[in-house]
Amino acid sequence: DAGITQSPRHKVTETGTPVTLRCHQTENHRYMYWYRQDPGHGLRLIHYSYGVKDTDKGEVSDGYSVSRSKTEDFLLTLESATSSQTSVYFCAISAGEAQYFGPGTRLTVT
Amino acid sequence: RKEVEQDPGPFNVPEGATVAFNCTYSNSASQSFFWYRQDCRKEPKLLMSVYSSGNEDGRFTAQLNRASQYISLLIRDSKLSDSATYLCVVGQTGANNLFFGTGTRLTVIP
Repeated sequence: DAGITQSPRHKVTETGTPVTLRCHQTENHRYMYWYRQDPGHGLRLIHYSYGVKDTDKGEVSDGYSVSRSKTEDFLLTLESATSSQTSVYFCAISAGEAQYFGPGTRLTVT
Repeated sequence: RKEVEQDPGPFNVPEGATVAFNCTYSNSASQSFFWYRQDCRKEPKLLMSVYSSGNEDGRFTAQLNRASQYISLLIRDSKLSDSATYLCVVGQTGANNLFFGTGTRLTVIP
């Protein structure tokens, strides 16, 4: 157990609304990540953070922003949700060379 | 070309069978290699790291062939509980840049 929680676990929202997903970790890991997982694709990196207020873009960052004001929390925001952002979102931390994942958030944009 | 490619399966095998999954990666500079297991509607979990010399963990054996850019996972004496999707994961610089295959689905049949 990597001590990672995500909230909410499920969310249905309408196109055009803002959405924020939260990732919380309890073990003071420096690196945190947001991925999305869709059928036919492997997990794809959206953004990652290498410390408080230090973030960088991943492979599929368009339409997403992140913030990390505390070591333990990494927020993912969809400024104006679109149907193409319907997905399962996983947060992860790195320990050593591997990454460990939270339980995921299922987001549906209608 | 995808960074990591896997046969999606599905592989349906009887209990007690031996099954092997393969994975190829495109970047010869890749430095870290893993197999993750993902159960339906759950997060990926680290199954094992893959080392150049090959490594074994109980019924699971992982092999790496850097020359052919090929990774394999062998599961011996399959159990019903091995039913899952197995993700091949390749990293390039530390844990900040992992690439995930789309997964190979395994179903072990009684």
